[in-house]
Amino acid sequence: AQSVTQPDIHITVSEGASLELRCNYSYGATPYLFWYVQSPGQGLQLLLKYFSGDTLVQGIKGFEAEFKRSQSSFNLRKPSVHWSDAAEYFCAGRNAGNMLTFGGGTRLMVKP
Amino acid sequence: NAGVTQTPKFQVLKTGQSMTLQCAQDMNHEYMSWYRQDPGMGLRLIHYSVGAGITDQGEVPNGYNVSRSTTEDFPLRLLSAAPSQTSVYFCASSYSNTGLQETQYFGPGTRLLVL
Repeated sequence: AQSVTQPDIHITVSEGASLELRCNYSYGATPYLFWYVQSPGQGLQLLLKYFSGDTLVQGIKGFEAEFKRSQSSFNLRKPSVHWSDAAEYFCAGRNAGNMLTFGGGTRLMVKP
Repeated sequence: NAGVTQTPKFQVLKTGQSMTLQCAQDMNHEYMSWYRQDPGMGLRLIHYSVGAGITDQGEVPNGYNVSRSTTEDFPLRLLSAAPSQTSVYFCASSYSNTGLQETQYFGPGTRLLVL
């Protein structure tokens, strides 16, 4: 079955520290992968997406993600976290069936 | 463009009541969908539509009905609300469903509490 897993429910980092949010996928073929961010009380905003080609994808707000086929992972990174990055982050995958499958989300808290 | 809009923002229902969650988009998108968001479970697809007059079930369709009479609107109906339907509901749209790279645009959500 197709699935997307985010192993970390909560992560707390200090402002200015680096960040890595984990995402693992399980699909028969390489899916199209997305990272979304949800600020409190808001809808979801697309950060970045991967379809093919360069395995390092740049997104908005200084985020990037690296696709690693051997590890079935698509981890989100940011070199220096800002307090405004505190939010919930969702990894999602989409395949030929065209249904978007979401991971359970990771809530990021930023310490001053 | 207003993007994807949802009404109401918040609703309280009693068990057994019915209601309709409204969703509209002004981007001429063919593909529209409804998700529910529950803690620790991410977003799960309820129903989706690939165009006016065409709808299909997603992962968790039970207890919900949809219709798509126009390109712009995709209402979600709860015929007899149950406490298990307490959730946050998101509507999303994209230009088409044939391009897997299509970005889905999400509305701000409707928070539903069923007592």
